[in-house]
Amino acid sequence: DTEVTQTPKHLVMGMTNKKSLKCEQHMGHRAMYWYKQKAKKPPELMFVYSYEKLSINESVPSRFSPECPNSSLLNLHLHALQPEDSALYLCASSQDGPGAEGYTFGSGTRLTVV
Amino acid sequence: GESVGLHLPTLSVQEGDNSIINCAYSNSASDYFIWYKQESGKGPQFIIDIRSNMDKRQGQRVTVLLNKTVKHLSLQIAATQPGDSAVYFCAENPGGTSYGKLTFGQGTILTVHP
Repeated sequence: DTEVTQTPKHLVMGMTNKKSLKCEQHMGHRAMYWYKQKAKKPPELMFVYSYEKLSINESVPSRFSPECPNSSLLNLHLHALQPEDSALYLCASSQDGPGAEGYTFGSGTRLTVV
Repeated sequence: GESVGLHLPTLSVQEGDNSIINCAYSNSASDYFIWYKQESGKGPQFIIDIRSNMDKRQGQRVTVLLNKTVKHLSLQIAATQPGDSAVYFCAENPGGTSYGKLTFGQGTILTVHP
C-alpha cells in the first residue's frame, strides 16, 4: 500500500458545526502532515507530527485541532470555522530521517464553510 | 522571508515537444528538492526528487537539474503528452530543525496541445 487516504473527499459545514477530517497511511511513515491549499495557490504547511507527537504548528488558529491517535492515523478536528477557511486540506506522510524522501500526499478534502 | 518561486507561471507546448519548467529558491540551506504534478481536484503527485549533493537526476521521461550556485532548479519533460497537462510545483526542504517541512513554489501551469 503506497497511498495516503483522506476522508471525506468533500465536506460542507456551517460556521457553528464541529467536523473532523481523517487521514490514513500504511507505509510505515512516522511523519505525517496537514497542509492547506487555496485555489490557484501552492500548499501551505499547517502541522507536522513526528512519531505521533506534534513537532510543528505553523501558528494555525485554535479552531483547527490536530490529533494523531497512532502511527497510521491523523485527524484534523474543525470547530467554529470561517468562510475563509474554505480550501483543499491535504494530508501527507514521509519516512523518518533528515530529508523528506517518499513524501506522499493524499487527494485531499475539499472543505466549504457556509 | 525565504521563498521558492517560479520564473514562468504558464507554459504551453505542442504534444511531442520537450518542456522545461524552472524554479528559483532562496534558502541556501535547503538540501532536498521535489517536483510535484497536481491535476485538477487531486493532491500533489510526486514526480522526482534531488538532493543538494547532486546536480542532475533522471527518471522516466523527466530530468531534474539543480544549480546550487544560482539556486535554480528545473524540470525537463521529454516528449510531452496531453496527460502531462497539470500544475507543476517545486518544493524544498530547508533541513535542520524544519524536519519534514516542505516549502512550495508558486506553481507553473503546463498545457499540452495535441
